[in-house]
Amino acid sequence: GAVVSQHPSWVICKSGTSVKIECRSLDFQATTMFWYRQFPKQSLMLMATSNEGSKATYEQGVEKDKFLINHASLTLSTLTVTSAHPEDSSFYICSARRLAVLYNEQFFGPGTRLTVL
Amino acid sequence: GDSVTQMEGPVTLSEEAFLTINCTYTATGYPSLFWYVQYPGEGLQLLLKATKADDKGSNKGFEATYRKETTSFHLEKGSVQVSDSAVYFCALSKSSASKIIFGSGTRLSIRP
Repeated sequence: GAVVSQHPSWVICKSGTSVKIECRSLDFQATTMFWYRQFPKQSLMLMATSNEGSKATYEQGVEKDKFLINHASLTLSTLTVTSAHPEDSSFYICSARRLAVLYNEQFFGPGTRLTVL
Repeated sequence: GDSVTQMEGPVTLSEEAFLTINCTYTATGYPSLFWYVQYPGEGLQLLLKATKADDKGSNKGFEATYRKETTSFHLEKGSVQVSDSAVYFCALSKSSASKIIFGSGTRLSIRP
């Protein structure tokens, strides 16, 4: 089956620092990856769509200068939380879309828990 | 806009009990419907899907039928196991190229 990994699985950082989260599709190429944010006991909120070789498309209300997304290759997308603050603490999940003849399924990574002190 | 509403948890059942998790949706057109499962410490996994009205998705003993007349996609299992303890998300997508809209998730706990 298709596997998507995220690194790190958890990170603790000081307020004002930047944190980079990687999302990799391990056994397939993904022209499109998605970044979600999940608050405790709440659903996943789509933050942005990451397209290989082009700029990410951000959802309404998501600050593009704060959440920098880079999709430099067909197997790697990165999310950088710049100048992190405690309110950025959350569970960040990525997914990668695998192209197929009948249906383009999304496969999800295990998530990264970010805690900003 | 499009949305998914599912029953709030947590839901706690004894092993071998019958499970129903309700899910209704609001969307224009004919979305595809999904159930995803998130086991503790893991990412979301697609449990089952249905792409058109009256389709029944099934996997691992779970079933859900796409009911357009009631805009519902309720998840059912006849006999749950402790290993089914997880968070279940109902979701929809307008097409395979568009984003997935998730419900709020339902935490299921199964007692031995």
